[in-house]
Amino acid sequence: DQQVKQNSPSLSVQEGRISILNCDYTNSMFDYFLWYKKYPAEGPTFLISISSIKDKNEDGRFTVFLNKSAKHLSLHIMPSQPGDSAVYFCAASAPQAGTALIFGKGTTLSVSS
Amino acid sequence: DAGVIQSPRHEVTEMGQEVTLRCKPISGHNSLFWYRQTMMRGLELLIYFNNNVPIDDSGMPEDRFSAKMPNASFSTLKIQPSEPRDSAVYFCASSRGTGGGNQPQHFGDGTRLSIL
Repeated sequence: DQQVKQNSPSLSVQEGRISILNCDYTNSMFDYFLWYKKYPAEGPTFLISISSIKDKNEDGRFTVFLNKSAKHLSLHIMPSQPGDSAVYFCAASAPQAGTALIFGKGTTLSVSS
Repeated sequence: DAGVIQSPRHEVTEMGQEVTLRCKPISGHNSLFWYRQTMMRGLELLIYFNNNVPIDDSGMPEDRFSAKMPNASFSTLKIQPSEPRDSAVYFCASSRGTGGGNQPQHFGDGTRLSIL
């Protein structure tokens, strides 16, 4: 049973436009959500996170939105650049429950110039 | 600062052989994680250590898999005997604290394992 779901395996966007990557979760105990980016032949790298007590966190071109009632979060990249082309993983944690990160299966973003 | 270092980067071996994957975490990090990535199951946690002690090994698929962390700067993941279905990319990650959401995990570049 997947607790963190990324239902879109891939997304294609033109350079300069907004990329929106979505993630759904089922466990209401999750209190932190993270996004990781992964290039081929490299490990995932941390991108941005959000606490469950917030509904938005912004870092440069990257913004994460959290909708707790819908158990949904999204990562917005604006403007998108070709170098953003990578696999993006959504992850969640519930430290009080003694759980380390649980990852979604990832969404492959392709940004064309 | 050096990141998480994994070795080897690639391993090809025959079924039945013992495989040992190695990981050096970032200095000062006290949590270490082993993950496996496959097309079918995505990125799944196998085991994690805190202060060199295994905390959760519920993700270890079966007794053929074992992991050790003899000191704060080294960990191994061993598969004996190996099987073709063990073929995957294995990642090691480390973090401060317990690796929860406010203490992001840092990943190595992985070991691509192929069992023939």
